[in-house]
Amino acid sequence: AQSVTQPDARVTVSEGASLQLRCKYSYFGTPYLFWYVQYPRQGLQLLLKYYPGDPVVQGVNGFEAEFSKSNSSFHLRKASVHWSDWAVYFCAVRVLSGSFNKLTFGAGTRLAVCP
Amino acid sequence: EAAVTQSPRNKVTVTGGNVTLSCRQTNSHNYMYWYRQDTGHGLRLIHYSYGAGNLQIGDVPDGYKATRTTQEDFFLLLELASPSQTSLYFCASSGTGEGGDTQYFGPGTRLLVL
Repeated sequence: AQSVTQPDARVTVSEGASLQLRCKYSYFGTPYLFWYVQYPRQGLQLLLKYYPGDPVVQGVNGFEAEFSKSNSSFHLRKASVHWSDWAVYFCAVRVLSGSFNKLTFGAGTRLAVCP
Repeated sequence: EAAVTQSPRNKVTVTGGNVTLSCRQTNSHNYMYWYRQDTGHGLRLIHYSYGAGNLQIGDVPDGYKATRTTQEDFFLLLELASPSQTSLYFCASSGTGEGGDTQYFGPGTRLLVL
């Protein structure tokens, strides 16, 4: 099945430390991949998206992600975490269902930031 | 700024009860979606629509009906609510083509079925 897996349900980092959130995909062909973020008591919003091309994509608020075909991965990174990054992060893949492109989301990784 | 609103924000009902969740978008988007969010499962697509009067089945449709009355309004109906439908429900909207990759989400409705 075409899907994404986020192996870490919860990650805790110190403010100012670097961050990597893991995402592994299962997809036949070249996937279109996304990271969405859900801040407390809000809906999800798009953080960044990968369309086939440059494997490193930049998002908002200093986030970036790197696509790796050999590792089937699309990990999210940030050089220095801020307390406002406390949120749940979802990886997603575009899946063709009939004639409809839908997004299939991972289970999410809850990020906690310590002072 | 894209805008999706949902009502109510919180709802408590009893098993067998009738519940309607409402969603309105002012983005002029064609596509609207209903998801449920559960710990360990992420977001799962219940129903979606690409225009007024249209309804498509998602991945977890059992026990849910939906109706798109206008381009702006999309409703999720639980006619015989069960405890397994206790969840956080999100509505979203998007454009077409690659515009469909950027979905705009509402703030969610938390439903508790006793």
